[in-house]
Amino acid sequence: EAGVAQSPRYKIIEKRQSVAFWCNPISGHATLYWYQQILGQGPKLLIQFQNNGVVDDSQLPKDRFSAERLKGVDSTLKIQPAKLEDSAVYLCASSSQSGRAFDEQFFGPGTRLTVL
Amino acid sequence: AQTVTQSQPEMSVQEAETVTLSCTYDTSENNYYLFWYKQPPSRQMILVIRQEAYKQQNATENRFSVNFQKAAKSFSLKISDSQLGDTAMYFCAFNNAGNMLTFGGGTRLMVKP
Repeated sequence: EAGVAQSPRYKIIEKRQSVAFWCNPISGHATLYWYQQILGQGPKLLIQFQNNGVVDDSQLPKDRFSAERLKGVDSTLKIQPAKLEDSAVYLCASSSQSGRAFDEQFFGPGTRLTVL
Repeated sequence: AQTVTQSQPEMSVQEAETVTLSCTYDTSENNYYLFWYKQPPSRQMILVIRQEAYKQQNATENRFSVNFQKAAKSFSLKISDSQLGDTAMYFCAFNNAGNMLTFGGGTRLMVKP
């Protein structure tokens, strides 16, 4: 089966610009996650969707970050305006069940964002 | 809040030998789940092994096994017969029912020929 797809793979922007990332989860996966992985650190969950509803966005900086999952399939994560500290790899993951804690998460290749 | 600590930023092992990666966590929950994920260079993160806290028996997956010490809040990963393809970042992660997956800072493992 096809894995989690993300685009673009790399993005370089100036601070205060806007950027958007796209994720297509594994077909049939109900739960979708966005993580931020700063260089040298483990991933940090930004937002979790169950179908097209938000389950957890407690660590999403809502003043500049937004995410949506229209129709419960693809998802976009947007940053507006970007700051230098947003430089990171943004990982998308999906899981097949109803977001149960024991479910395996399948990760995409990530989008590496550099903010200058 | 749960925290996950991996105290070994980098480790190396000779091919065919055994290596153990350490992980400790802090939680007040009794029911939770622990994971080891592998992130090879320039490749996707994949699940290596997982453990349910209420199960006393340590999980095993081929060459990978864990030593789960619930009282000590320790969850180490043992890789037997190390292979060059095991070279990667390894992340320990914690999840309790209804909460988010929390990752440790990772351990970079280099398998040397």
